[in-house]
Amino acid sequence: DQQVKQNSPSLSVQEGRISILNCDYTNSMFDYFLWYKKYPAEGPTFLISISSIKDKNEDGRFTVFLNKSAKHLSLHIVPSQPGDSAVYFCAAIKSSGDKLTFGTGTRLAVRP
Amino acid sequence: GAVVSQHPSWVICKSGTSVKIECRSLDFQATTMFWYRQFPKQSLMLMATSNEGSKATYEQGVEKDKFLINHASLTLSTLTVTSAHPEDSSFYICSASRVHTEAFFGQGTRLTVV
Repeated sequence: DQQVKQNSPSLSVQEGRISILNCDYTNSMFDYFLWYKKYPAEGPTFLISISSIKDKNEDGRFTVFLNKSAKHLSLHIVPSQPGDSAVYFCAAIKSSGDKLTFGTGTRLAVRP
Repeated sequence: GAVVSQHPSWVICKSGTSVKIECRSLDFQATTMFWYRQFPKQSLMLMATSNEGSKATYEQGVEKDKFLINHASLTLSTLTVTSAHPEDSSFYICSASRVHTEAFFGQGTRLTVV
């Protein structure tokens, strides 16, 4: 049972444009969400997070939006850069628990 | 940010041998560490939760006798793949948290069993 889903396995974007990565979840108990970036053969690196009490969090070129009623979050990268090319995982956690549940990942390719 | 160091980054071993992977939190104490496994083009799958000073908690379907976890100190957890077989070949990643919503990941270990 995949509680966190990233329905787009891949995304290709032109450099300078906006990249939008989507994530859906089914467990309403999740109340904290994170985005990680992963290069091949490396561990994930933390990008940005959002608490369920917010609907937006921004950090430089990265913005995460949360729609609790739709159980949907998205990561916006603008402007996209070739160095952003990687696999992006969203993850969710319950504040009462300590296990991250990961989505299946979206491979982003930013074309020069 | 906090640093989690994982060693080795890659290892090749013969079928039937055991391999130990270390995960260290370098600048904070981690009472809980997590071990994940990633198959090609798939998500990170949680294998077990490693608790300092107590037994690890394994996820359903993960053989505890196959994947031995020892969390001997607040900065070190080890995963030993015992009697490795080719199907154990994978990418193993550990993570440690200062608070439960802040997870830092090691660099990962690519295990190839031949």
